[in-house]
Amino acid sequence: AQTVTQSQPEMSVQEAETVTLSCTYDTSENNYYLFWYKQPPSRQMILVIRQEAYKQQNATENRFSVNFQKAAKSFSLKISDSQLGDTAMYFCAFMNPGANSKLTFGKGITLSVRP
Amino acid sequence: ETGVTQSPTHLIKTRGQQVTLRCSSQSGHNTVSWYQQALGQGPQFIFQYYREEENGRGNFPPRFSGLQFPNYSSELNVNALELDDSALYLCASSPWTRNEQYFGPGTRLTVT
Repeated sequence: AQTVTQSQPEMSVQEAETVTLSCTYDTSENNYYLFWYKQPPSRQMILVIRQEAYKQQNATENRFSVNFQKAAKSFSLKISDSQLGDTAMYFCAFMNPGANSKLTFGKGITLSVRP
Repeated sequence: ETGVTQSPTHLIKTRGQQVTLRCSSQSGHNTVSWYQQALGQGPQFIFQYYREEENGRGNFPPRFSGLQFPNYSSELNVNALELDDSALYLCASSPWTRNEQYFGPGTRLTVT
């Protein structure tokens, strides 16, 4: 079974600065997907970024980028130029596409962006 | 393009009762997954439906059941409600050809 670990329960960052959220996972699979989701107080889970395990290049979406280290089973999210709207819970998630494509989530990290 | 919608937004039930939650998938998406999110935790996979058939189930008892309709909308039914069923229930839809799930706003269920 896959597990996803987010060991930092809370983080805080000053507006306009950069912050990195950590995530590790455990799997015996070679082909899988990793995601970061954002859940603001409105509760809606929003897809931030996705990474395919077979791709060596790290995914980037505007201010959001990942550092994917497959051998270390590490998948961190970097948020550049933090904005007040980035305040939310962030969840790291794992998907094995061969197993009904269910998402396995970590416990999440609460990110607060200070003005 | 309409996103994933869920109803109701919030409801309160009594222990032992039954509840039905509804989800309309995003246009063009034929796969629906349901998750339970307890307060302060990450979502837990309940089950997934593809073309009206259950396509995988998480570690939830049989009193959690579901349906998917020809228009790909879905229902989650929970019988014999327990206090621990109090949670946010999230529905996510995805196209079968892509491994990305898009979530609805959730239904907050409170069991008293």
